[in-house]
Amino acid sequence: EADIYQTPRYLVIGTGKKITLECSQTMGHDKMYWYQQDPGMELHLIHYSYGVNSTEKGDLSSESTVSRIRTEHFPLTLESARPSHTSQYLCASSQFGVARGYTFGSGTRLTVV
Amino acid sequence: KQEVTQIPAALSVPEGENLVLNCSFTDSAIYNLQWFRQDPGKGLTSLLLIQSSQREQTSGRLNASLDKSSGRSTLYIAASQPGDSATYLCAGTQGGSEKLVFGKGTKLTVNP
Repeated sequence: EADIYQTPRYLVIGTGKKITLECSQTMGHDKMYWYQQDPGMELHLIHYSYGVNSTEKGDLSSESTVSRIRTEHFPLTLESARPSHTSQYLCASSQFGVARGYTFGSGTRLTVV
Repeated sequence: KQEVTQIPAALSVPEGENLVLNCSFTDSAIYNLQWFRQDPGKGLTSLLLIQSSQREQTSGRLNASLDKSSGRSTLYIAASQPGDSATYLCAGTQGGSEKLVFGKGTKLTVNP
């Protein structure tokens, strides 16, 4: 039973389209994250949020944007998709003051053609 | 900048072997350390979490340890099974930062 949900699971889209990757968690976690992972490579943090109306850019520069209007929801948006955005995007969450570690979603594999 | 190295990058063993995966951090000031499993094209499944006050964690056939003086962690898998085949990732946070930094992983293949 997943506690953090990502949709869609796979997405193939044309260049120039606007896309939103959805991430929702049911654990009430304060902190949420987006990681990007190219095949065979390590995960890189692109965005994070420590609570509602709080968003920060991660260590890897990304043209995507995020929002955190509700605790449970942390969508990622690409205004104009390009082939260089082709990658796997993984959402995660954790909780302040509770060292249970991170919980990850199943990921969205994005292909921009 | 914290960097994480995992050795070996790939490992192929026969079923039943005990094995050790290694992880090292350039900055040894690790606060929490987490080992994950990733199946091809999938998300990450958390295996073990070593919190700041701990040195070791065990779950079933898995045992992870962290040497904070050297910034090195090992994941021990006992009596490996074909279902253990996956990529194993280690990741850590540092005091004052909630962000996990990942290694590239060790791709494990357990042959029947």
